Amino acid sequence: EIVMTQSPATLSVSPGERATLSCRASQSVSSNLAWYQQKPGQAPRLLIYGASTRASGIPARFSGSGSGTEFTLAISSLQSEDFAVYYCQQYNNWPPYTFGQGTKLEIK
Amino acid sequence: EVQLVESGGGLVKPGGSLRLSCAASGFTFSSYSMNWVRQAPGKGLEWVSSISSGSSYIYYADSVKGRFTISRDNAKNSLYLQMNSLRAEDTAVYYCASQPSSPNWFDPWGQGTLVTVSS
Repeated sequence: EIVMTQSPATLSVSPGERATLSCRASQSVSSNLAWYQQKPGQAPRLLIYGASTRASGIPARFSGSGSGTEFTLAISSLQSEDFAVYYCQQYNNWPPYTFGQGTKLEIK
Repeated sequence: EVQLVESGGGLVKPGGSLRLSCAASGFTFSSYSMNWVRQAPGKGLEWVSSISSGSSYIYYADSVKGRFTISRDNAKNSLYLQMNSLRAEDTAVYYCASQPSSPNWFDPWGQGTLVTVSS
């Protein structure tokens, strides 16, 4: 099973600033990685797939990068609606599909 | 509008059973793989089970294998999860989520249904 590790667990950033979230895989997942955003009481929403392709309707301030075992989700110029929990998920080696434990992005 | 709506959650005693349903609309359900993903209170996401578009391929997480059964009815645009021998650690919000094919990302997701296993 591939273990996904996200860092940091909590990230405090001021609105308007840039946030960088990390996700590491225990072995290579190529570019088969997705990012999701989850707000309290809501279902996860797909942001990024293929490590760097934005899903439909996702603002350009969200960008994904990386391949192999190291991945990054960057959010430029944070808006109030961006404060949420973010998860990465690998779909290269399955079953099982595995998720990271999440990074909580909070207002500084 | 693409929509997934789960139902069937509730309170059940340890050892009991529950059947979850997920009604799909707004897309060609029969062309998509479908999944169940759960989230224990205050915890992260855990993939539970996957079924291919024609039900030929079915997979389970080790944590539910032998206790849960995934199925679908393409004529009714519906996905199901039969959960037997429930344990306290199965307490979670259960989401259904579609995939354009397997393996892949999950999109979209339903709003979830809460299953609570407690005496």
